[in-house]
Amino acid sequence: DVKVTQSSRYLVKRTGEKVFLECVQDMDHENMFWYRQDPGLGLRLIYFSYDVKMKEKGDIPEGYSVSREKKERFSLILESASTNQTSMYLCASSPGSRAKNIQYFGAGTRLSVL
Amino acid sequence: SQQGEEDPQALSIQEGENATMNCSYKTSINNLQWYRQNSGRGLVHLILIRSNEREKHSGRLRVTLDTSKKSSSLLITASRAADTASYFCATGYNNNDMRFGAGTRLTVKP
Repeated sequence: DVKVTQSSRYLVKRTGEKVFLECVQDMDHENMFWYRQDPGLGLRLIYFSYDVKMKEKGDIPEGYSVSREKKERFSLILESASTNQTSMYLCASSPGSRAKNIQYFGAGTRLSVL
Repeated sequence: SQQGEEDPQALSIQEGENATMNCSYKTSINNLQWYRQNSGRGLVHLILIRSNEREKHSGRLRVTLDTSKKSSSLLITASRAADTASYFCATGYNNNDMRFGAGTRLTVKP
């Protein structure tokens, strides 16, 4: 079974803090994704990566950065957390062509920024 | 936006009834997928239907795709309380892009 593990289920941070969300997958997938999920808005793509050290912006990259130093790990960084970044964050991975294959999701990290 | 749109936003039915959810999209797709999300959890893949397919089945799930109308439907037959979840369609495009819709929240009452 594919396993995508997000480091925290719940996280509470203060405004202005630097926040790291970690995601690890164990299936040697090329693609990894970070989504943000808010009520009524569905999943919005923040960033994705199709290879080590490669990244591409999604629909809402502002206020976020990412790092992929190893194939199995994809980190989402909030440089200076703000209250409007309070949300559910979902990591996913997929093999091969990202539009043609199944995405496997982690359990999510619910981040609250106070 | 290439995002698919689900309809209805919310659906409430009794156990044993069938549930139908729809997804519409705007531009040509390579495939369409349906995912399920239990409350507060990640998404789980249910079924993938390619653009040259019209219907697929998996257990109590039936997915149809009408590329002329740019729409898909997910039918869950003989629903159970455990089917209560949010259901999302995801559209895969030929430019290698993939987008999720806003989801349909299904409640199945015992």
